[in-house]
Amino acid sequence: AQSVSQHNHHVILSEAASLELGCNYSYGGTVNLFWYVQYPGQHLQLLLKYFSGDPLVKGIKGFEAEFIKSKFSFNLRKPSVQWSDTAEYFCAVKTNAGKSTFGDGTTLTVKP
Amino acid sequence: GAVVSQHPSWVICKSGTSVKIECRSLDFQATTMFWYRQFPKQSLMLMATSNEGSKATYEQGVEKDKFLINHASLTLSTLTVTSAHPEDSSFYICSASLESSYNSPLHFGNGTRLTVT
Repeated sequence: AQSVSQHNHHVILSEAASLELGCNYSYGGTVNLFWYVQYPGQHLQLLLKYFSGDPLVKGIKGFEAEFIKSKFSFNLRKPSVQWSDTAEYFCAVKTNAGKSTFGDGTTLTVKP
Repeated sequence: GAVVSQHPSWVICKSGTSVKIECRSLDFQATTMFWYRQFPKQSLMLMATSNEGSKATYEQGVEKDKFLINHASLTLSTLTVTSAHPEDSSFYICSASLESSYNSPLHFGNGTRLTVT
């Protein structure tokens, strides 16, 4: 069975700081990787995804993530965070069976 | 597009009663919907996969007789928590994909906060 590990439970940054959230997964086969975001009071929504091709994928609001197959990682990055990026971020893995497995989530707090 | 609507947003019920939660795909048809449960400060745990026109597939450890899932149409799946107990209090979230392909992302409902007193 697949598993997802997010290293940081709570990250606090000042505006304009750079962000990197770690995500590692455990699965031997082909995977599709996602980052979802949940802003306060809102539902989960897709931030970006990777399933093939360029391992560096770009998502909404200036976020990007890099798939490193050898490290089983899919870290999320943003060069300069804004206060509005305060949210909870979930990394997820989806296998060919169609099931998605989520990490425990990382709460990002950006101080203005 | 790809809006998933979940109702109710929150519900309080007494122990022993049943609660039904609805999940609708508003602008697309979903042959498959997923039901998750989320505890505070924890991840989403998949409870079951709801399949239109057939029985739901439950994850290990999830009681199918307690969490009844019905997916009678391509736009509606329901989760009924039967004989609810305080330990069933949680945040329940449904989701669906636009496509059945494995690289299709999930679209989520707003979730339902269930409190059993």
